[in-house]
Amino acid sequence: DADVTQTPRNRITKTGKRIMLECSQTKGHDRMYWYRQDPGLGLRLIYYSFDVKDINKGEISDGYSVSRQAQAKFSLSLESAIPNQTALYFCATSREAYNEQFFGPGTRLTVL
Amino acid sequence: GQNIDQPTEMTATEGAIVQINCTYQTSGFNGLFWYQQHAGEAPTFLSYNVLDGLEEKGRFSSFLSRSKGYSYLLLKELQMKDSASYLCAVRLMEYGNKLVFGAGTILRVKS
Repeated sequence: DADVTQTPRNRITKTGKRIMLECSQTKGHDRMYWYRQDPGLGLRLIYYSFDVKDINKGEISDGYSVSRQAQAKFSLSLESAIPNQTALYFCATSREAYNEQFFGPGTRLTVL
Repeated sequence: GQNIDQPTEMTATEGAIVQINCTYQTSGFNGLFWYQQHAGEAPTFLSYNVLDGLEEKGRFSSFLSRSKGYSYLLLKELQMKDSASYLCAVRLMEYGNKLVFGAGTILRVKS
């Protein structure tokens, strides 16, 4: 079984729609992250959370919000999707700051 | 700002050795990671350097020079399955030790 799972894996939606991407992990890690990946730009950090009560903005948080419902669950929402939010979205976890991050399989989001 | 540079693409022959370079200009450096990412898949951890020198792990080695802001990933005995994107990521001491990623180097291994 995968340690970090993301749902949905693929999503096509229209401009203005609200979208939620979900991430669950069974690794028991406290730290969770949301990234987006665009061709030629690499992975960019959207939000990160060190525990249920701690949420922090990353480099590109505008247009996104998150919810840490439990240690194992971290959701990313696009309140009103726009076409330039079309990207591959990854969730990641780490045990502590000094450890490597483990990535989920990704969600490919297309906004028309 | 934070700046991480890697070559966009490289091509090498099966069985050969290839070196992928990464240069960085960041504030509060606190370690450097290399990840491998096959097309359409999640990045997977390859190596980590925080002190200067070479770290070897099987066919893969990674080198760091903090004074030069430079790292490289060395892949030996290349196999076709090594065709992937290789991501260099710097961990920053500030901002909760977050990672800043380079754009990645696409490596193509030809027979």
